[in-house]
Amino acid sequence: ELKVEQNPLFLSMQEGKNYTIYCNYSTTSDRLYWYRQDPGKSLESLFVLLSNGAVKQEGRLMASLDTKARLSTLHITAAVHDLSATYFCAVDGSNYKLTFGKGTLLTVNP
Amino acid sequence: DGGITQSPKYLFRKEGQNVTLSCEQNLNHDAMYWYRQDPGQGLRLIYYSQIVNDFQKGDIAEGYSVSREKKESFPLTVTSAQKNPTAFYLCASSWQFNQPQHFGDGTRLSIL
Repeated sequence: ELKVEQNPLFLSMQEGKNYTIYCNYSTTSDRLYWYRQDPGKSLESLFVLLSNGAVKQEGRLMASLDTKARLSTLHITAAVHDLSATYFCAVDGSNYKLTFGKGTLLTVNP
Repeated sequence: DGGITQSPKYLFRKEGQNVTLSCEQNLNHDAMYWYRQDPGQGLRLIYYSQIVNDFQKGDIAEGYSVSREKKESFPLTVTSAQKNPTAFYLCASSWQFNQPQHFGDGTRLSIL
């Protein structure tokens, strides 16, 4: 059974600081997604990582995938308040069903 | 504009009652999904459908039922057998089963 663990689950940052969210998963997969969710809202797709070593960047967010270590990271650079949200990683299992992590609630403080 | 429409946004269920959540997409996607989200939790898969007239149980299908009679529609019924239905329900679709999923805005179901 595929298990996906995110850490930290709660992250309080100051504006302008850098931080990394980690997503570990338990079985082989070469397809991983990062989503953002604002309170009471739907999920917004941020990144799709399809192969080992994949790196994607959008604004202050950069995601990477290491399939050998079964690890993805979401790096936040110079955080701003607008980045406050819950971030989920989701891993494609061998049967193409997505398994989600519990999410990281990010709060960026002035 | 193409997208996924879920309705209603809020729904209340009485004890012993079945309720149906609507999900419609105009993206011409083959695959559709239903997820449940509880506070502080990730999404858990209830049912999914790869193609019209076919659907499969996900990880937490007990107490739920679905139909897929049309490509664009994938309604979810929460039956009285689901003893803890209070949650946020998200519908998603994708071009094919192994493609990135797009999500609707969700339905929040509560018990009266």
